[in-house]
Amino acid sequence: DARVTQTPRHKVTEMGQEVTMRCQPILGHNTVFWYRQTMMQGLELLAYFRNRAPLDDSGMPKDRFSAEMPDATLATLKIQPSEPRDSAVYFCASGQEGVTEAFFGQGTRLTVV
Amino acid sequence: AQSVTQLDSQVPVFEEAPVELRCNYSSSVSVYLFWYVQYPNQGLQLLLKYLSGSTLVKSINGFEAEFNKSQTSFHLRKPSVHISDTAEYFCAVIRTMDTGRRALTFGSGTRLQVQP
Repeated sequence: DARVTQTPRHKVTEMGQEVTMRCQPILGHNTVFWYRQTMMQGLELLAYFRNRAPLDDSGMPKDRFSAEMPDATLATLKIQPSEPRDSAVYFCASGQEGVTEAFFGQGTRLTVV
Repeated sequence: AQSVTQLDSQVPVFEEAPVELRCNYSSSVSVYLFWYVQYPNQGLQLLLKYLSGSTLVKSINGFEAEFNKSQTSFHLRKPSVHISDTAEYFCAVIRTMDTGRRALTFGSGTRLQVQP
């Protein structure tokens, strides 16, 4: 069945290390979102893409975060270098242009120690 | 400015009792309103949405929400809750970002805890 797939589901890393999170959107969806969820800030929109082009990444710390879509089946979110304050659950969601519903993956739980 | 406000961070309720989860939105956002549900260790799932037409919208599992323009509210209700309804519920709106782009923006969430 169609679903958004995120890998890894859990990641524990040391401060200063590079972290890459991956997302496979639902086939046929041309819009991809990255959200971060923390207890303090709730759900924050980091970036989103349409037809693989970044439309908005104003919610993303530019100095250490980067998001890309190398092809229509893969979106990546990279943190380099990682810091303890980056610990959160990162969600990818996909949708179709003109349709308002977003379909979420199960998230990547990142812990930076 | 906050686009969507969920005043209650937690709502404890007994099984089979009615429940209302409150959501108010900023009048400056477009009137596309959503409720998403998040079960433990899962992603968010769309519960119901209002885009236009009838102001009362319903989900398949007994929840309903009513769009109230004069009160800028979109409260979620269920007449009789089950243990399995225990989850985090998020109200969301389509908001225009500073860049001019529009994206789904979430409230802070309400944790519904159904007790036997």
